[in-house]
Amino acid sequence: GAVVSQHPSWVICKSGTSVKIECRSLDFQATTMFWYRQFPKQSLMLMATSNEGSKATYEQGVEKDKFLINHASLTLSTLTVTSAHPEDSSFYICSARHPTGGYTEAFFGQGTRLTVV
Amino acid sequence: DAKTTQPPSMDCAEGRAANLPCNHSTISGNEYVYWYRQIHSQGPQYIIHGLKNNETNEMASLIITEDRKSSTLILPHATLRDTAVYYCIVKTSGTYKYIFGTGTRLKVLA
Repeated sequence: GAVVSQHPSWVICKSGTSVKIECRSLDFQATTMFWYRQFPKQSLMLMATSNEGSKATYEQGVEKDKFLINHASLTLSTLTVTSAHPEDSSFYICSARHPTGGYTEAFFGQGTRLTVV
Repeated sequence: DAKTTQPPSMDCAEGRAANLPCNHSTISGNEYVYWYRQIHSQGPQYIIHGLKNNETNEMASLIITEDRKSSTLILPHATLRDTAVYYCIVKTSGTYKYIFGTGTRLKVLA
């Protein structure tokens, strides 16, 4: 299967600062990636769709100015949480679509745990 | 995409088969059933998927009822490492934007 990697795996930041999370497709080019957020004991909630070379599409209720998504290359999408607050502490997960028709499933990264103090 | 319903939790003895049910009564003809699992603090891991025929791979078997309104994921010999939250997702083959339900928290007991 295809490999999607996130960096960092965990990060602690101070309230009011911004933090960037990277999502990379290691062995394939991904024109589309997806970002999810997961609070403790809850399911994954889709935040946005990241499209290479164009603006991200955000789900209803997700603040696009707070969660900046950039998909500048075919193997990298970044999520920047701006002016982070403790309520932004969560597990952030990305996934990517493999471009060939042989894969109909999305591939997920290992997740990034963000703690805002 | 069709909605799915799963029991919130299940226990299974180590070495026994774990049978995880999923209801998807509103599934449409071009929608597949996908199963993923999420081990604590990791990203979801693909397990198996199917359209209408039963499927088997090295991880699990997927049994889909004839009317396709429900399915069962079978882990034939559960181990402690199979303890995870299992998600059943219904989607078309061209959809990669997943809507996750609450899943089933499977605990494999020694």
